[in-house]
Amino acid sequence: QKEVEQDPGPLSVPEGAIVSLNCTYSNSAFQYFMWYRQYSRKGPELLMYTYSSGNKEDGRFTAQVDKSSKYISLFIRDSQPSDSATYLCAMNVGYGNKLVFGAGTILRVKS
Amino acid sequence: DTAVSQTPKYLVTQMGNDKSIKCEQNLGHDTMYWYKQDSKKFLKIMFSYNNKELIINETVPNRFSPKSPDKAHLNLHINSLELGDSAVYFCASSQGASGGAREQFFGPGTRLTVL
Repeated sequence: QKEVEQDPGPLSVPEGAIVSLNCTYSNSAFQYFMWYRQYSRKGPELLMYTYSSGNKEDGRFTAQVDKSSKYISLFIRDSQPSDSATYLCAMNVGYGNKLVFGAGTILRVKS
Repeated sequence: DTAVSQTPKYLVTQMGNDKSIKCEQNLGHDTMYWYKQDSKKFLKIMFSYNNKELIINETVPNRFSPKSPDKAHLNLHINSLELGDSAVYFCASSQGASGGAREQFFGPGTRLTVL
């Protein structure tokens, strides 16, 4: 079993839809949770990070962490075709420790 | 442009050959990484250097040898290439050692194909 599980998709939605992307993990020591976005043929770039449990909002994006369920989510409101990319969740135990990535979910937003 | 750059962008080679990938960052960061992304997009760390010192060394075959001549450069040399080495290799950098909320900045990737 992988430390971080993520449905690879692809997930296809119409423009304007609310998108929900999720990851589950097995290591209860993870404390920092991140979402990276990767466009085709490019390197990943950080979208958001959350420390421990709770919600964080940034524009159209909301990240949620439920440590009791070992479950994290990224919501995208009013999705745009430019949001079409692979979304990778990533997490680590703390400073000095490696970042563990999920497999990534391919999102396609159709206009 | 301030960024993480990698050369070459594409690398096609025969099994058994030795090849190198170079990485440079001009962000002033002190930590650099090599990741491997397989065909299923799974991104996995291979090595990390902080101030030219190896701090993360995952279970990677000895055929892979990283070298950091200075804080701004981290190169990856691969000996005796195998079919399974075909993947996209990403270099990344951050300010401070891996972990916590530290953002890692990724290069554009080197697509390695072993025939």
